[in-house]
Amino acid sequence: DGGITQSPKYLFRKEGQNVTLSCEQNLNHDAMYWYRQDPGQGLRLIYYSQIVNDFQKGDIAEGYSVSREKKESFPLTVTSAQKNPTAFYLCASSIVTDLTGELFFGEGSRLTVL
Amino acid sequence: GQNIDQPTEMTATEGAIVQINCTYQTSGFNGLFWYQQHAGEAPTFLSYNVLDGLEEKGRFSSFLSRSKGYSYLLLKELQMKDSASYLCAVLDSNYQLIWGAGTKLIIKP
Repeated sequence: DGGITQSPKYLFRKEGQNVTLSCEQNLNHDAMYWYRQDPGQGLRLIYYSQIVNDFQKGDIAEGYSVSREKKESFPLTVTSAQKNPTAFYLCASSIVTDLTGELFFGEGSRLTVL
Repeated sequence: GQNIDQPTEMTATEGAIVQINCTYQTSGFNGLFWYQQHAGEAPTFLSYNVLDGLEEKGRFSSFLSRSKGYSYLLLKELQMKDSASYLCAVLDSNYQLIWGAGTKLIIKP
């Protein structure tokens, strides 16, 4: 079955630690995205990538980093520079790169900073 | 600034009809999406409107009026499994998705 797999589903981190969230898709989609979801707010775009070895900052990229070495994979690193990292993180992909098509989301990763 | 407004929470009865409104003020418009998100899960696509009018898809319909900056999602014959958050998102002139905070729909027996 095609889809997007995020791991881990739950993650606890101590302050000052970097963590990496995995996102893998087997949909053969060119475009991939990372969103952050906080209670009472809309999804906010962290980073996106429309092609391998290229990615762009979204609205809230500070304190985060990504890589896109393979079409299937788009990992997100939450660095210690991110001041308020506790959130629900969603990875998504789409067939088209202009967002006029449906976004396919992973199940999400919930990060809690202790 | 760009803004998407949706009611925070709505309650409806099983078997009834509910309309979830979304108003938007964005820099240009290239379409409006509705997604459903059950608690703790991933959003799933419901509809995409780019032209004015009503689009029906089974029990769910989505309406768009570009001149009014307004859309609604209509859910008929409500079922308990429809309890979820419904997210409205607008694609602006730069092809950036602007998301509303979502409407939590509670279905009561």
